[in-house]
Amino acid sequence: AQSVTQLGSHVSVSEGALVLLRCNYSSSVPPYLFWYVQYPNQGLQLLLKYTSAATLVKGINGFEAEFKKSETSFHLTKPSAHMSDAAEYFCAVSDREGAQKLVFGQGTRLTINP
Amino acid sequence: ETGVTQTPRHLVMGMTNKKSLKCEQHLGHNAMYWYKQSAKKPLELMFVYNFKEQTENNSVPSRFSPECPNSSHLFLHLHTLQPEDSALYLCASSQWPNQPQHFGDGTRLSIL
Repeated sequence: AQSVTQLGSHVSVSEGALVLLRCNYSSSVPPYLFWYVQYPNQGLQLLLKYTSAATLVKGINGFEAEFKKSETSFHLTKPSAHMSDAAEYFCAVSDREGAQKLVFGQGTRLTINP
Repeated sequence: ETGVTQTPRHLVMGMTNKKSLKCEQHLGHNAMYWYKQSAKKPLELMFVYNFKEQTENNSVPSRFSPECPNSSHLFLHLHTLQPEDSALYLCASSQWPNQPQHFGDGTRLSIL
């Protein structure tokens, strides 16, 4: 069985500050990991994915995430927050890249303070 | 139109009504999905269709009835819903088996 825990349902940072959104996973097989972003009144958009090719994954909008097997983590970071980054972020795990049974975390709402 | 389109965007219905949600994908994908997104709960997978055939029903109550007439269209027929069914219903599509899912903007459903 697979599961995802996102630490912190709400994160608030100042514009220009570092963004760090935490995701820990549990998986009995090598995991595939995803970060999705959901802007208000929209669906989910894929930010980046880990598929075992490289542990540091770069995504869209300046985000990146690092897969750390020893810590079972896949935290999402961005060096400098922008007002447009305000959204809800979801971490998800599956047992294959094209998995149809994604297991999602509960989400983290990111607020950017001017 | 590009991507995954869902209609209507908002729907209010009584518990005895019958309505349908529509999803259309313009990406040439071969798999489509229905998800339910409720407040303060993780996204829940409801149904999966591959090449128009249902391959996953995640213990969804029979008051939700999916239909996939072709690989570009997916419907969710609703009848005799309960207040706890109020949620955002998201449709997604993917090119199975190797590509990630692309989501529509959802239908916000409110049950009176």
